[in-house]
Amino acid sequence: QGHLVQSGTELEQPGSSVTVSCQTSGDIFRTLTIMWVRQAPGQGLEWVGRIIPRMGVTTYAQRFQGRVNLIADTSTKTVKMQLNGLTLEDTAIYYCATGRPHMDVWGNGSAVIVSS
Amino acid sequence: DIVMTQSPVILSLSPGERATLSCKASQTIFSNLAWYQKKPGQPPRLLIFGVSTRATGVPDRFSGSGSGTDFTLTISSLQSEDFALYYCQQYLDWSSITFGQGTRLDIK
Repeated sequence: QGHLVQSGTELEQPGSSVTVSCQTSGDIFRTLTIMWVRQAPGQGLEWVGRIIPRMGVTTYAQRFQGRVNLIADTSTKTVKMQLNGLTLEDTAIYYCATGRPHMDVWGNGSAVIVSS
Repeated sequence: DIVMTQSPVILSLSPGERATLSCKASQTIFSNLAWYQKKPGQPPRLLIFGVSTRATGVPDRFSGSGSGTDFTLTISSLQSEDFALYYCQQYLDWSSITFGQGTRLDIK
């Protein structure tokens, strides 16, 4: 199976947008669903949404509807998560993972820090 | 959304002891349940899926059981590397995946 490699730390202002990328390898992009999960400091795991990269089909958790976009780039086999209207509560580590729907391959995590 | 409730919140045990972690769903999820281990600075690690199937490379001291709404993760004899956070996750509905709030397994 392949691997998932994520982009680095992002420092953002409240109200801005952030894009986090997840580079896939092997057959992941062609065959699997990619899930996004976040963990805020001192909090548990929270599902953000999912994308089927080969089809571009997306599903978002209700609390993120209208604020998040998952995009698949077929030329680079990369999935991106864009989160808009950032607040301090969006400070978290964001993970991509393969979804079967249990999540067996995880990216290394991308820290998003929202601060004024 | 399906609410997943884990108990206890904190479990303090000694190496060699048996750990029993519980997870209860607010409605039946059949066998659509997974368990993850989370350590600081690392991504979650899949331990169990489909209630009782161990993921690749997971030691056989980890086992899962249950059905419907009540599920258990058992660690038969705790090793030092097992002290971590544990989360259950339901995936009955792919459009509304939810996790439990976690159980922290501490060294006594």
